[in-house]
Amino acid sequence: GAVVSQHPSWVICKSGTSVKIECRSLDFQATTMFWYRQFPKQSLMLMATSNEGSKATYEQGVEKDKFLINHASLTLSTLTVTSAHPEDSSFYICSAPEPGGDEQYFGPGTRLTVT
Amino acid sequence: AQKVTQAQTEISVVEKEDVTLDCVYETRDTTYYLFWYKQPPSGELVFLIRRNSFDEQNEISGRYSWNFQKSTSSFNFTITASQVVDSAVYFCALSDYNTDKLIFGTGTRLQVFP
Repeated sequence: GAVVSQHPSWVICKSGTSVKIECRSLDFQATTMFWYRQFPKQSLMLMATSNEGSKATYEQGVEKDKFLINHASLTLSTLTVTSAHPEDSSFYICSAPEPGGDEQYFGPGTRLTVT
Repeated sequence: AQKVTQAQTEISVVEKEDVTLDCVYETRDTTYYLFWYKQPPSGELVFLIRRNSFDEQNEISGRYSWNFQKSTSSFNFTITASQVVDSAVYFCALSDYNTDKLIFGTGTRLQVFP
């Protein structure tokens, strides 16, 4: 089946720095990808929809200037957490719908820790 | 607004017991999809099933079965003869027909003891 990868799988950064997380669809083209955030022992919350060739659409309450999303190609979406703070520490997961299919493929997630 | 409720925060069973995970959803849409995902300790989400709102047939896949009841807005998941490897957090999710955005429930942590 289709695979979605994320890089890095974990990252530790200092407060105030920016971190970029990549999401790639490995064997299919994804015009749309989704970014979710999951705090420890909590559910996944949709942050934004990444659209290839156009601006991302953000869910209510998500700061678009803080979480920059770029969908540069049909297989790559990036999420940049700018000026990270400890409260941004979380598990970030991307997903891409299976073209013409039932499933939505999730990446393995990126654990971000901001110190 | 769409909402998914998984009232069971945590369930513990002994191996070989059957266990049912409850899921109740709210939506104003007449067409929608329902999902179940498994999240083992590694964190990666494992797709289990997608069901569309037109199809109320129950589904069985090996030890897994799903009961979709539109009248009660429920989509419950049963594991028969549970195994230790079934230990994970299970999420129920909902999406509308036109987008692939998923609204997740809060998850149920299942612990299966040997």
